[in-house]
Formats: sequence, C-alpha cells, structure tokens
Amino acid sequence: GAGVSQSPRYKVTKRGQDVALRCDPISGHVSLYWYRQALGQGPEFLTYFNYEAQQDKSGLPNDRFSAERPEGSISTLTIQRTEQRDSAMYRCASSLGRQLEAFFGQGTRLTVV
Amino acid sequence: EDKVVQSPLSLVVHEGDTVTLNCSYEVTNFRSLLWYKQEKKAPTFLFMLTSSGIEKKSGRLSSILDKKELFSILNITATQTGDSAVYLCAVKNSNTGNQFYFGTGTSLTVIP
Repeated sequence: GAGVSQSPRYKVTKRGQDVALRCDPISGHVSLYWYRQALGQGPEFLTYFNYEAQQDKSGLPNDRFSAERPEGSISTLTIQRTEQRDSAMYRCASSLGRQLEAFFGQGTRLTVV
Repeated sequence: EDKVVQSPLSLVVHEGDTVTLNCSYEVTNFRSLLWYKQEKKAPTFLFMLTSSGIEKKSGRLSSILDKKELFSILNITATQTGDSAVYLCAVKNSNTGNQFYFGTGTSLTVIP
C-alpha cells in the first residue's frame, strides 16, 4: 500500500479482555517496528521484525504482550488480559532496511476501561 | 543508558518567525539521527542525518548534526500555522540497530 496501515484506529476494551492490533507495512519493507506512545511522550520501542523473524522484543513490557509477523508482511500485536495501564497509542512503522528511515502508521488508540 | 533530550519542550511563535529546535543525545555507537513531524496523524519523516556538518534542507526546513557535541538542530524559517506540530527527534545506534530512541518532542505552535 501507499503507507503503513493500522487497524483498528480506535479500540475500547474492558479490563481483562484480549486485543489484537494489526499493522500492514509499506509493500516491500522488510523491517517492521512496534512502538507505544503515551500522551505527551515520544514513542517507546516495543519490538522489531526483520522479515518474519522477531529479532528484538526487548521493549515488550511483560509476557501479556506478544507480536508476530508470520509471512514477513502483516504483523499483529496482541495484548492479553488488558489492564488500564495498557491504554496508549500503539504505532507501527516500517522501513526498507534496518538502517533506513522508518515510516509510521496512524496508530491504534487503545483505551482499557 | 541511551537517551535523547529535546528542547524546548514547547514553543509559541508568530507566523514569519524563525525557530530552532534542539536535540541532544547520548547513544553508544551512534548510527543516525532522524527528525519527524507529528500532527494528529502519523509522525511524518523529515530528515535523516548521519554525517556531521552536512546540512539537509527541504523548503523552509533544514537540519544539521554535530557528532562531536552530540546534538542536532532543526530550523524552520518563515514559520506558518501549518508548521504547528510536535517535532520528534530519534536516534539509532549501530549496536543493535533495532530501535529508534525518541525524545519527548518539542511542541511548536505558530499563531497568526
């Protein structure tokens, strides 16, 4: 596609529910990043994929968070048993290569009530 | 610990003014520094800088990197209301190369 596409744009969920956030990167981009951004803060790294390989998951806050990119294109970030503190904007970015500039999607605004 | 500090945190100027936004960093094995403009939508890529002293320019925006003093500036001349946004600075190291370290951003408001 023309840009990084994320869905849904907004998600409101009850505490304890699982959520799955989707990212469709720019076609041909091998690198894919997930970031989380709190209000008034810069994006905070969660995890990185090179093709389908999850090469860095050091930013995932705990084991309730997981991500996959099974075919090296679309990626899903899953949060199990959501908590209110998980509320944030979740952003996906992709780049042609690891050392190149990354392009961000519009994000998914997650609200856990 | 790697970190990126942006200043000022916020700035209000009148249309036509020139602004300078600062980004200083402490990153092991620096690789590149990037500037993004964030409005209500996704952060939009502006510049990527890897070499000291080489200015990158795009219209009224320009940026330069100083790898000795570990900072970068983003200049915007003849500001317009459409320049109002949060400007994010991010740094990538070559150790892992897997993540961009972001600053908290500078919020710029341009008033008519």
